[in-house]
Amino acid sequence: DQQVKQNSPSLSVQEGRISILNCDYTNSMFDYFLWYKKYPAEGPTFLISISSIKDKNEDGRFTVFLNKSAKHLSLHIVPSQPGDSAVYFCAAIHAGNNRKLIWGLGTSLGVNP
Amino acid sequence: EAGVTQFPSHSVIEKGQTVTLRCDPISGHDNLYWYRRVMGKEIKFLLHFVKESKQDESGMPNNRFLAERTGGTYSTLKVQPAELEDSGVYFCATSPGGSGIQYFGAGTRLSVL
Repeated sequence: DQQVKQNSPSLSVQEGRISILNCDYTNSMFDYFLWYKKYPAEGPTFLISISSIKDKNEDGRFTVFLNKSAKHLSLHIVPSQPGDSAVYFCAAIHAGNNRKLIWGLGTSLGVNP
Repeated sequence: EAGVTQFPSHSVIEKGQTVTLRCDPISGHDNLYWYRRVMGKEIKFLLHFVKESKQDESGMPNNRFLAERTGGTYSTLKVQPAELEDSGVYFCATSPGGSGIQYFGAGTRLSVL
C-alpha cells in the first residue's frame, strides 16, 4: 500500500519551458516533504523540501507547492534545462517515525534541447 | 568535504553466499539509514542508526540481514545467506541530528544469481 504516489512515470518537456512534477500522499501524519533528483548509477541528490506548515518553498529555478487539504505537492522547474533530465523522487517524513523517508516510485523527466 | 561512500559499487554472488556492504558516512552525521530499491518498486527503508545504536529496524526483511555500526562511524550490512529476492540497489544515507535532509551514497547494486 503506497503512501506516496507519483502517478506519472515519465514526462517530456522542451528546454526553456516549465516542468511540473506531481506527487500525492495518503498519510496525514506526514510533516515534511522532500524532492530528490537521481541520475543513473548515482544516489539520490537532495533538491528541495517543504514543511507541512508552509504551502510554498522556492530555490532558484525550483519551487515546491504543498496543498495539504488535497494531500498533493508539486515541483515546478522554470526554465527547464537539458541537465535537469533525471528521475525525480518525492519523499515524505512522518514526524514520529525516526525521520525515515517514505518514497514515491519516481518520475523520469526528459528535457529536450 | 567527502560525501557518503559505499562499497562495493556492484556485487554479484550466488544464492546461499554471504555479502557485506559497507557505508562510510559524512563526518559528524549521527544518523545513518539503509534503504533498498528492488527493480520496479519504490525505495524502501531498512533501518536507522543514531550513532552506534539501532533506532528502528522495522524495515529489515528477515533475520538473514544484519546491520552494524562500529563506534558510530561506518556501517555494514551483511546478508547471509543471500537469496534471489535480495537483489536490488542498497543505498546508505546520513544526516546530522535534527535535520530531515538525508545525503545519499551512490548505492551498491547486489545481484544474487
